[in-house]
This record gives sequence, C-alpha cells and structure tokens, in this order.
Amino acid sequence: AQSVTQLDSQVPVFEEAPVELRCNYSSSVSVYLFWYVQYPNQGLQLLLKYLSGSTLVKGINGFEAEFNKSQTSFHLRKPSVHISDTAEYFCAVSGPGSNYKLTFGKGTLLTVNP
Amino acid sequence: DSGVTQTPKHLITATGQRVTLRCSPRSGDLSVYWYQQSLDQGLQFLIQYYNGEERAKGNILERFSAQQFPDLHSELNLSSLELGDSALYFCASSAGGRAVAGELFFGEGSRLTVL
Repeated sequence: AQSVTQLDSQVPVFEEAPVELRCNYSSSVSVYLFWYVQYPNQGLQLLLKYLSGSTLVKGINGFEAEFNKSQTSFHLRKPSVHISDTAEYFCAVSGPGSNYKLTFGKGTLLTVNP
Repeated sequence: DSGVTQTPKHLITATGQRVTLRCSPRSGDLSVYWYQQSLDQGLQFLIQYYNGEERAKGNILERFSAQQFPDLHSELNLSSLELGDSALYFCASSAGGRAVAGELFFGEGSRLTVL
C-alpha cells in the first residue's frame, strides 16, 4: 500500500518570504506524485505533478517541487509567497501499488501574513 | 472553474435520514471519483466509476452507495446518517480510468451537516 505524510499541519509565513511544504511518501514500487491546492471554499486544483524524467518539476503560480527517490520525498517550494497563496496544500501519490488510486496526505495549511 | 458541478452545495439533515449528492463531470470525462473530507480523517477516497461501471472502491461504508448514469453524471447516496457522516463530499472527474498521467478535476464540494 502507498501512503503520504505531510510533516507540517500548519505553516505560517510572512509575505515575500520563501516557503517549503514537506511531503514524504511510502511505496515499494514506482510512484506518481502530485501537489494539489485548496483555496477557501473551493475544490482542489492541481499545482504540479511528477510522473518521470527531471526530478525538479514546475507548476502554476511559481511553485516547484523536487522528487527525491532516496529520501522518498516530494517537497513543495516557492521562493517568495503572496497573501493569495494562503490555502491548504495536499500532497498525493498514485501508482501500481495502489492500483492507480490517488491517495492524499492530510494537508498543510499555509497562511501568508502581511 | 473546474467544469465539475456538484449539488447541493450545502445540506443539513437529521440522523437516520437519507440524502443524495449529485455530480456532473467535466464534458468528455468518463471517470467520476467521490471523496470525503473531514477534519479528523482528511481526504478519503470513497469510490470511482468509469463509463458507468464501478472501477475502484475505497473506504466507503455499506450505508453509502453510488452510481454513474448513461449521461455520465453520478450520484452518491448516504443513508441511515450518523453525526460522524458530517463532512465535505467532493466529486472529481478525469478523462481516463486511472489517475496516472492525468489530473483529477474537483468540484466545489457538498457540505453535509447531520444534526
């Protein structure tokens, strides 16, 4: 079975500061990794995904994530956050180990303060 | 706007009752997924339908059932409701039958409150 652990439930930062949201996964086989964002009172929206190839993937709104197979991590980063980035961020994994069902972490609430 | 439509947006009902949540997927998407989001459990996968057939089942209770109709819209039926069923229920759709290379498109959810 596959699982995802998001190490921080809440991350407060100041505007224009860099941020890293941490995600670790567990799987005995190859995986596909995703980050989704949920703005207040909205559904989830895909930020970026890793399927294969380059371990550094870029997504929307200036976010990027790096796949690290040896550390089984897929941390999300942004060099300078805006107030509008305040949202809940979910890491998710899919792959043959879960019959390609998407399994989500519990989420990290990013709060950007002025 | 993801293109996925869920109704109703909010629903308040009493324990023991039955409700139906409805989802219209994005135009052309054949797969519909149902997820339950609660504070203690996070996002839990319930069930997936692909072109009218059940494709995968997750942590769905026996009191819950779902179906996908020929026009590809889906309904999630929740019966004998308990307080613990209060949650946000999301529907998502995708073009194919697997969340491999494709992304899921989520609706805005149906918030169910059981009193």
